[in-house]
Amino acid sequence: GESVGLHLPTLSVQEGDNSIINCAYSNSASDYFIWYKQESGKGPQFIIDIRSNMDKRQGQRVTVLLNKTVKHLSLQIAATQPGDSAVYFCAENENRGSTLGRLYFGRGTQLTVWP
Amino acid sequence: EPEVTQTPSHQVTQMGQEVILRCVPISNHLYFYWYRQILGQKVEFLVSFYNNEISEKSEIFDDQFSVERPDGSNFTLKIRSTKLEDSAMYFCASSGGTSGRALYFGPGTRLTVL
Repeated sequence: GESVGLHLPTLSVQEGDNSIINCAYSNSASDYFIWYKQESGKGPQFIIDIRSNMDKRQGQRVTVLLNKTVKHLSLQIAATQPGDSAVYFCAENENRGSTLGRLYFGRGTQLTVWP
Repeated sequence: EPEVTQTPSHQVTQMGQEVILRCVPISNHLYFYWYRQILGQKVEFLVSFYNNEISEKSEIFDDQFSVERPDGSNFTLKIRSTKLEDSAMYFCASSGGTSGRALYFGPGTRLTVL
């Protein structure tokens, strides 16, 4: 069943502002999380990932924060640009040893950036 | 930068017909997947494939579905007798090798069943 969900379905921000997209998960055994960006008509594009032994990971203009205590994940986008407008999904994965388990996707948040 | 490719980009078929969706995963990856996304809904797992066999499949992946890696580069999804509810975007993904656990998705095939 569904184990990953989003707090907000839509988020609108002004160009240049920072964006924060949230995600909740329920599977305590999940130990790996990924954020994807999906533009209209395209496949999910990998943004950043984090393992459960970390609380924070930074990439280029993006930061992922993981709070295992409350099973919460967030994606922060700095200086949001119009090109960041897309649907953002979080996905979780449980380590199953020799094979990689399935990804469970959240429903997604539509980010709209206004000039 | 290596990427997953999929063909065709759009497939229209009549109900009951067979379709084959094709994918070329990233070359050094070891794990291959099919996911689908019905319009407006979240991405759903169908099947994973590793070491030339299915490693996991979802409840969606019934006897009408099959996957194959016919050679060293292609990965296919076959739907034997399509139903209206099979209409969706089908995404191929791959992972493993130097990219670790991260799944990289192709651009998708839009399947429309009439």
